[in-house]
Amino acid sequence: GAGVSQSPRYKVAKRGQDVALRCDPISGHVSLFWYQQALGQGPEFLTYFQNEAQLDKSGLPSDRFFAERPEGSVSTLKIQRTQQEDSAVYLCASSLGPLREQYFGPGTRLTVT
Amino acid sequence: GQQLNQSPQSMFIQEGEDVSMNCTSSSIFNTWLWYKQDPGEGPVLLIALYKAGELTSNGRLTAQFGITRKDSFLNISASIPSDVGIYFCAGVYTGNQFYFGTGTSLTVIP
Repeated sequence: GAGVSQSPRYKVAKRGQDVALRCDPISGHVSLFWYQQALGQGPEFLTYFQNEAQLDKSGLPSDRFFAERPEGSVSTLKIQRTQQEDSAVYLCASSLGPLREQYFGPGTRLTVT
Repeated sequence: GQQLNQSPQSMFIQEGEDVSMNCTSSSIFNTWLWYKQDPGEGPVLLIALYKAGELTSNGRLTAQFGITRKDSFLNISASIPSDVGIYFCAGVYTGNQFYFGTGTSLTVIP
């Protein structure tokens, strides 16, 4: 497709469940970013991939969060044993390279009950 | 995480008026980006700035990369109802962490 796509758009999980969020970046974009956006706030950085290498995961809030991009294209953000504080919109963005403009997907709204 | 200071926090303006918002940081940046976000959607890129002092336009939008590299502003001329939304600035110094502002909520009154 022409833009970044994410699925699912909405996810409701019971506390303690595992979830997996998918991101399809723009074709040819080597850089991929995950962000978490709380209500009324700007996006906050979670992690960054260049191709298949995860170069920065300093923003991941706990060891329950991990991300992968095994073939350098599609990426998955996984949250294990979800907690209520994990409820947020998870945004994926891609770019041609570091320091370049990022293009965002529509986000996945996660609600943990 | 670090967030940039963005002001004003919200604006209510009449259709046709010009709008100005800005973003400041305690750190210098090498890239500034401006985004618009509608409810339930991801941020949409408006303007990218890569050099201190750079002034770039995109239609009715104009943005500048401050000389000190610690600030940027966005102007919207002759506002229209579809300009409604939340505007975010974002900046990066080096590496990969873009820091986002707290957002400016714009309401345009017809």
